[in-house]
Amino acid sequence: GQNIDQPTEMTATEGAIVQINCTYQTSGFNGLFWYQQHAGEAPTFLSYNVLDGLEEKGRFSSFLSRSKGYSYLLLKELQMKDSASYLCAVTAPSNTGKLIFGQGTTLQVKP
Amino acid sequence: SAVISQKPSRDICQRGTSLTIQCQVDSQVTMMFWYRQQPGQSLTLIATANQGSEATYESGFVIDKFPISRPNLTFSTLTVSNMSPEDSSIYLCSVSSGGASGANVLTFGAGSRLTVL
Repeated sequence: GQNIDQPTEMTATEGAIVQINCTYQTSGFNGLFWYQQHAGEAPTFLSYNVLDGLEEKGRFSSFLSRSKGYSYLLLKELQMKDSASYLCAVTAPSNTGKLIFGQGTTLQVKP
Repeated sequence: SAVISQKPSRDICQRGTSLTIQCQVDSQVTMMFWYRQQPGQSLTLIATANQGSEATYESGFVIDKFPISRPNLTFSTLTVSNMSPEDSSIYLCSVSSGGASGANVLTFGAGSRLTVL
């Protein structure tokens, strides 16, 4: 089966950098996703990692270490609009396209 | 990415009744999924909606409670049957599509927020 762990809540200051960690255990790995979900809205895709290393996309970067079962999402130059839940998800072992989500990290950005 | 229309967006239902949620996609997609998001929780996969065959349910979800239809490659329905207050949740339709990185990125509908009294 799969097990995904993320911190439940984090708080950071506008303009700062925050790192949201995700550890996972899965019987078969085919990639890790990060999604952003604002309150009352659907999740939206942020990033995808399948190989070890850092993927950078503007203010957001995502890192993966497959040997450690570890990923993080790095948010730079935080803005108030970044207040949201951030969901870590891994592909199911059968790689049928479905994702298994962690419980999500609610990030609050303060002025 | 695909555009997904889901309805109803929200509803208030009485205990014991059933409600059908519709999901329409603007393009043909192979993989279609139904997720549930209970208050303050993350997303839990209910089932994969297979075109032309029965849905594939995840552990803890059964067809009698959550019957699913998938008549074609652009449309699916999820019915929440014999509802109880524990079924109060957001139900999300999602589809899988290839991304630039080769990943099967999931795109979600806006969700259907059900409240069962």
